[in-house]
Amino acid sequence: AQSVTQPDIHITVSEGASLELRCNYSYGATPYLFWYVQSPGQGLQLLLKYFSGDTLVQGIKGFEAEFKRSQSSFNLRKPSVHWSDAAEYFCAVGALNNDMRFGAGTRLTVKP
Amino acid sequence: GAGVSQSPRYKVAKRGQDVALRCDPISGHVSLFWYQQALGQGPEFLTYFQNEAQLDKSGLPSDRFFAERPEGSVSTLKIQRTQQEDSAVYLCASSPRGRSMNTEAFFGQGTRLTVV
Repeated sequence: AQSVTQPDIHITVSEGASLELRCNYSYGATPYLFWYVQSPGQGLQLLLKYFSGDTLVQGIKGFEAEFKRSQSSFNLRKPSVHWSDAAEYFCAVGALNNDMRFGAGTRLTVKP
Repeated sequence: GAGVSQSPRYKVAKRGQDVALRCDPISGHVSLFWYQQALGQGPEFLTYFQNEAQLDKSGLPSDRFFAERPEGSVSTLKIQRTQQEDSAVYLCASSPRGRSMNTEAFFGQGTRLTVV
C-alpha cells in the first residue's frame, strides 16, 4: 500500500521568504500526488495535483510542486510567502481505484 | 449547495453514547468518502461510497462504526457506544466521478467529535 512521509512537523518562515515543504512517498507504481491546505476549523483545499506529464505542477495561490521519481519526492514550493499562507499542509498519494493516503502534515507559521 | 456540508460542526458525547454525523455532498457527485483526522495527524480513510453502494469499508476501525448513503446523496456516519479514542475530526469528501484518482475530491469542514 502507498504511504507518505512529511519530515517536517512545523516550519517557520518570514513573510516574503521562500518556502519548501518536503514530501516523500512510497508506492510501487506511478502515484497520483496531491497537496492540500487546511486552515484552522476549515476543510481541506486542494492546492495542486500530479497525475502524469510535466513534472513541475502549478497550483493555486502561487504554489508549485515538482515530482521527482528518482527521489520519490513531491516537494511544495512558493517563492514568496504571505502571512495568509499560515496553515497546515498535507501531502497525499493515491492510486487508481485506491484510497488516498495522507501524510501527518506540516504546520507553517509565518513571521511578520 | 455550493460545497460539501457537514453537520453538526461540533459534537460532544458522553462515553457510551451513540452519535450520527451527517454529510451533504455536492449535488450529483458520484463518490463519497469519510475520513477520520485525529489531533495532529493527517486524515485516515474510513469508507467509500459510489452512489448508494458502499464499496470499501476497510478503514472503519471497529464494528461500532457504521456508514450509509441510502439514496446516493446524503450520507450518515454512525458511531455506537462512543469511546474516548473516537475523539477526532470526521471529514467527508465527494468527487464527481467514480473511484479514480484522476479527479479532485472536495472536502467539507468536518465534524469535531469530543467524547468525554
